[in-house]
Amino acid sequence: GESVGLHLPTLSVQEGDNSIINCAYSNSASDYFIWYKQESGKGPQFIIDIRSNMDKRQGQRVTVLLNKTVKHLSLQIAATQPGDSAVYFCAESGGGSNTGKLIFGQGTTLQVKP
Amino acid sequence: NAGVTQTPKFQVLKTGQSMTLQCAQDMNHEYMSWYRQDPGMGLRLIHYSVGAGITDQGEVPNGYNVSRSTTEDFPLRLLSAAPSQTSVYFCASRRTWTSSNQETQYFGPGTRLLVL
Repeated sequence: GESVGLHLPTLSVQEGDNSIINCAYSNSASDYFIWYKQESGKGPQFIIDIRSNMDKRQGQRVTVLLNKTVKHLSLQIAATQPGDSAVYFCAESGGGSNTGKLIFGQGTTLQVKP
Repeated sequence: NAGVTQTPKFQVLKTGQSMTLQCAQDMNHEYMSWYRQDPGMGLRLIHYSVGAGITDQGEVPNGYNVSRSTTEDFPLRLLSAAPSQTSVYFCASRRTWTSSNQETQYFGPGTRLLVL
């Protein structure tokens, strides 16, 4: 079946360093990907998205890279701040789904050390 | 805009009780959905709606009912609560319903449900 997985359950970085969170997906028909940030006790918050016709997209302090050849997605956070501490999920949508369902990975917890 | 709102924030039920989780959005979004989030299993789709009067099942619909009488509201009903329904429930919406699905969904703050 389809799956979306993150490589590491926990990532610990020093404040000011860059963070890279990785994600692999299995559905080669996937054509739209989203990164969400979830803080404790809150709902997933949209960070950035990317369509399959792109390999890179940049936002404010965040960059998403998509490698369709190896079905890999990454989220880069520049100059990581304490407020970036949260669980990060990659999610896949599209791929012919007729339900609009998002397929989520299980999340990577980012811990920012002061 | 308030975005996607959910009530209550937290609820404790006894096995067999029924309740309705409320969800509303003020963005005039066509598509709305309900997910549950369980440890180690990510978020799973329960039910979804592509517009007022139209609902359909997701991947884990058993034990839940939904209705969509207005564009704004999408309540989720638990008919007879079971301990297996202990979870965090999230409502989400997105602007349009297109077959390409290349559009992000925005989530509410969640309802934490404990069934004893």
